Amino acid sequence: GAVVSQHPSWVICKSGTSVKIECRSLDFQATTMFWYRQFPKQSLMLMATSNEGSKATYEQGVEKDKFLINHASLTLSTLTVTSAHPEDSSFYICSAIGQLNTGELFFGEGSRLTVL
Amino acid sequence: GESVGLHLPTLSVQEGDNSIINCAYSNSASDYFIWYKQESGKGPQFIIDIRSNMDKRQGQRVTVLLNKTVKHLSLQIAATQPGDSAVYFCAENISGGTSYGKLTFGQGTILTVHP
Repeated sequence: GAVVSQHPSWVICKSGTSVKIECRSLDFQATTMFWYRQFPKQSLMLMATSNEGSKATYEQGVEKDKFLINHASLTLSTLTVTSAHPEDSSFYICSAIGQLNTGELFFGEGSRLTVL
Repeated sequence: GESVGLHLPTLSVQEGDNSIINCAYSNSASDYFIWYKQESGKGPQFIIDIRSNMDKRQGQRVTVLLNKTVKHLSLQIAATQPGDSAVYFCAENISGGTSYGKLTFGQGTILTVHP
């Protein structure tokens, strides 16, 4: 089946630095990708919708200037956590769909961010 | 941010028993529902889905029931195995328009299967 790959799978960074997480669709073109955040022992919360070639759409309460999303190609979306702080430590998960309204949803394996 | 002291519902069963995991969804406009399994440190794994024009769907060892009247979903796992131990999430979606794929997840249930 289709595979969505995230990189890195885990990253540790110092407070104040920026971290980029990649989400790739390996065997299909993903016109739309989604970024979720999951804190320990909690559910997944949608952060933003990433559309190829256009600006991302952010959910209420998610700072677009802090969580920069770029979807420059049909197989890659990136999430950059800028000026990361310990409270940004979380599990970031992406998902992708190939065709609007009909495509199956595929999730990546997640990226664990720890900010010291 | 993280809610201190938040506890997920838990379900403990013996190997071979049937498991039933319940979920209440919030949006009456949702018409597509998915159950996911999440193992520690991994992304959600698709189990089974159901659309609102159905009230039951069966897969291999799993059955999903949908009650739109009370906005309730359940996942039944037959002959539960230790490998089924994980956190299970239901997710709801509005499949039309620009909302497709924007999932709203339930709080999750921890399933522990004892050998």
